[in-house]
Amino acid sequence: AQTVTQSQPEMSVQEAETVTLSCTYDTSESDYYLFWYKQPPSRQMILVIRQEAYKQQNATENRFSVNFQKAAKSFSLKISDSQLGDAAMYFCAYRRMYSGGGADGLTFGKGTHLIIQP
Amino acid sequence: DVKVTQSSRYLVKRTGEKVFLECVQDMDHENMFWYRQDPGLGLRLIYFSYDVKMKEKGDIPEGYSVSREKKERFSLILESASTNQTSMYLCASSVSPHEQYFGPGTRLTVT
Repeated sequence: AQTVTQSQPEMSVQEAETVTLSCTYDTSESDYYLFWYKQPPSRQMILVIRQEAYKQQNATENRFSVNFQKAAKSFSLKISDSQLGDAAMYFCAYRRMYSGGGADGLTFGKGTHLIIQP
Repeated sequence: DVKVTQSSRYLVKRTGEKVFLECVQDMDHENMFWYRQDPGLGLRLIYFSYDVKMKEKGDIPEGYSVSREKKERFSLILESASTNQTSMYLCASSVSPHEQYFGPGTRLTVT
């Protein structure tokens, strides 16, 4: 079974600075997807960024980027120029890739609470 | 925009009651999911469905059942609610294998 570990229950960063959230995972699959989701106090889960394991290039979305190390099974999220609106719970998630029909749920880490200090 | 709606934001039920949580998506997605979210545990998959009338157990199906009679609607059923089912319940939908789109969640309290 796949597992996802987020070792930082809480992180704090000054506004405008850069912060990195850690995520490691364990899987025997070679093809899979990794995601970072954000959950603000409104509780709405919002996709931040997605990485396909077969792609060597790290995904980037504006101020958000990942450092994907497949051999190390590591998938960290870097937030540059932190803003007050970035304050939220951040969840790392894994999903295996499959062929054919069917579906698969996401395996989530326990989350990191990100605090932005003004 | 994809929209996933859940029937209630907050729900209070008594122990032993039968509870229905409803989820509707408007994007014709094949796949729908029910997760449970608890502090310190993250989100855990209860059940999912990849087609009408099709369902698969997730990681924690005990005490729950599901129903999918129409493509856009996926219901989570607590046959006899217990206090340990007090939690946040999140519904999601997807077009495989892409990201899942989540509803706003239902905070269920069982007293």
